Amino acid sequence: DTGVSQNPRHKITKRGQNVTFRCDPISEHNRLYWYRQTLGQGPEFLTYFQNEAQLEKSRLLSDRFSAERPKGSFSTLEIQRTEQGDSAMYLCASGFEVLDTIYFGEGSWLTVV
Amino acid sequence: KNQVEQSPQSLIILEGKNCTLQCNYTVSPFSNLRWYKQDTGRGPVSLTIMTFSENTKSNGRYTATLDADTKQSSLHITASQLSDSASYICVVRREGSQGNLIFGKGTKLSVKP
Repeated sequence: DTGVSQNPRHKITKRGQNVTFRCDPISEHNRLYWYRQTLGQGPEFLTYFQNEAQLEKSRLLSDRFSAERPKGSFSTLEIQRTEQGDSAMYLCASGFEVLDTIYFGEGSWLTVV
Repeated sequence: KNQVEQSPQSLIILEGKNCTLQCNYTVSPFSNLRWYKQDTGRGPVSLTIMTFSENTKSNGRYTATLDADTKQSSLHITASQLSDSASYICVVRREGSQGNLIFGKGTKLSVKP
């Protein structure tokens, strides 16, 4: 499968713990995006990378959230000191500049208890 | 405020029937508009993408229209199938923002036999 891959697919964590999600984009895609989606809502933008540079960042991305894309390939999204309000599906997407088509992964579900 | 509004919120139709979903947006400046299909618990999958100059675009049984003057788009599904049951999300990109796609809340379509 050569689509966008996200791991883990599901994570249950206790409030206050840190969690990290990984995204492997489609190879050769230089753009990578993170979105958050709660039930009944459309995805909300979190952050955007072009290659290894984090070019855009939403105000939703509080100081407890950090994203990296160290070598311009895979990316990680870390949430520190999780809160119940962080429970959501975290979607990663990748794209190629020329085509401007964005492909989403299957998402990583986070439940904070 | 940059917003994307979709209607109806949900829709039930019989297999084989046609339906039309609506999207109104206030995003400015406008770059392009996309329709995505999202199955429950899965990542969104792109159906169409249209720029300012495009009025209609088809993808199989899906036909999207765009009126950039009135800032309205529609997605028409022809001869619906049970597998069309999903949420359909309208997404608008602002000119000058590569990452911050603005998503509607989606229309939840149920196709019944």
